[in-house]
Amino acid sequence: DQQVKQNSPSLSVQEGRISILNCDYTNSMFDYFLWYKKYPAEGPTFLISISSIKDKNEDGRFTVFLNKSAKHLSLHIVPSQPGDSAVYFCAASRRTGANSKLTFGKGITLSVRP
Amino acid sequence: EAGVAQSPRYKIIEKRQSVAFWCNPISGHATLYWYQQILGQGPKLLIQFQNNGVVDDSQLPKDRFSAERLKGVDSTLKIQPAKLEDSAVYLCASRSAGGREKLFFGSGTQLSVL
Repeated sequence: DQQVKQNSPSLSVQEGRISILNCDYTNSMFDYFLWYKKYPAEGPTFLISISSIKDKNEDGRFTVFLNKSAKHLSLHIVPSQPGDSAVYFCAASRRTGANSKLTFGKGITLSVRP
Repeated sequence: EAGVAQSPRYKIIEKRQSVAFWCNPISGHATLYWYQQILGQGPKLLIQFQNNGVVDDSQLPKDRFSAERLKGVDSTLKIQPAKLEDSAVYLCASRSAGGREKLFFGSGTQLSVL
């Protein structure tokens, strides 16, 4: 049972345009969401996060939107740059007592064309 | 600040052999994770340590996988005996006390079981 879904395996956009990466989740207990970026032969690196009490968080060219009623979040990259070409993982977390558990989606491969 | 160190980078073994991976987290990070990432999927948590205690090992195949974190610093993950389906990238990550789910990942160990 996949609780975090990234249904589009890949996305290709032109440099300078907006990239929109989507993510859906099924577990209403998730209360914190993150995006990680991964280049080949490297580990994932943290990009941006959002708490369930917010609906938007912005950091430079990256903005994450959360729609709790739809159990949907999206990552917007504006403007897209060739260096943004990577695999992007959506992840969700829920508290379990004093601990928390992170669940990842399968990832989306973003290609930004010069 | 030094990142999460992992070794080896690559390992090729035959099925039924044993293998061990090593991880040294970022200095001061009490929480350490081992993830398994199979090609085309997102990272899946195998085990989480808090200092040298196990917090979550519910998805660790304990009949063949074992992990330890002696002295609450570096950690080893062992597979014995390996199966073909264990071919994956094994990622180690660590987190500081205040950084909820902001994990820092190592570059991983690419394991191929033939």
